[in-house]
Amino acid sequence: DIVMTQSPDSLAVSLGERATINCKSSQSVLYSSNNKNYLAWYQQKPGQPPKLLIYWASIRGSGVPDRFSGSGSGTDFTFTISSLQAEDVAVYYCQEYYSTPALTFGGGTKVEIK
Amino acid sequence: QLQLQESGPGLVKPSETLSLTCTVSGGSISSNLYYWGWVRQPPGKGLEWIGNIYYSGTTYYNPSLESRVTIFVDTSKNQFSLRLSSVTAADTAVYYCARLIVGADLYGMDVWGQGTTVTVSS
Repeated sequence: DIVMTQSPDSLAVSLGERATINCKSSQSVLYSSNNKNYLAWYQQKPGQPPKLLIYWASIRGSGVPDRFSGSGSGTDFTFTISSLQAEDVAVYYCQEYYSTPALTFGGGTKVEIK
Repeated sequence: QLQLQESGPGLVKPSETLSLTCTVSGGSISSNLYYWGWVRQPPGKGLEWIGNIYYSGTTYYNPSLESRVTIFVDTSKNQFSLRLSSVTAADTAVYYCARLIVGADLYGMDVWGQGTTVTVSS
């Protein structure tokens, strides 16, 4: 089974500053036949279900602001909010779907305003 | 617009079976592009994938829960359901149903229900 490890558990960032979250998988989620990384990022605000923000490690979902971005390949991935807005306060999760339809989430990273 | 809605008892006694249903509206559950899944979130904790089902009835479960989980689909009602047996307090959580889209252009759990809270207590 693939284990997803996120860091840090939480971070506090000033408004307008950059927030960076790391996600490491216990094995590569890069599928060699199509050269795609089977990794997604979700945002969960308090009292709401998660929202899919990024898939294929770096593709933003429809309507997702471009201040959100994802990068990385293989086993190491990064999620970045380039300029933190008040409405970005949430918990962010990475998820591998290399094992689809089996899935694994990371432990989550709470983003707060400093 | 596709919507998912969870339903079922909010309180289950220890050792009994938790049963939830997800009703899909605004679209068909019978598509080869989607799986339908359950995810749970204990109070103050992270997300845990429980399992997925294809419209044909093929299922995939989290190995840590596999011995206690059953997911089944009723295409005539556009619903899929979760059963979790022998529950304990550790199964207290918000349970979400979600659609997993497996397309070349979009991949991930793109539609979610609002979630339903299930408490295991006598």
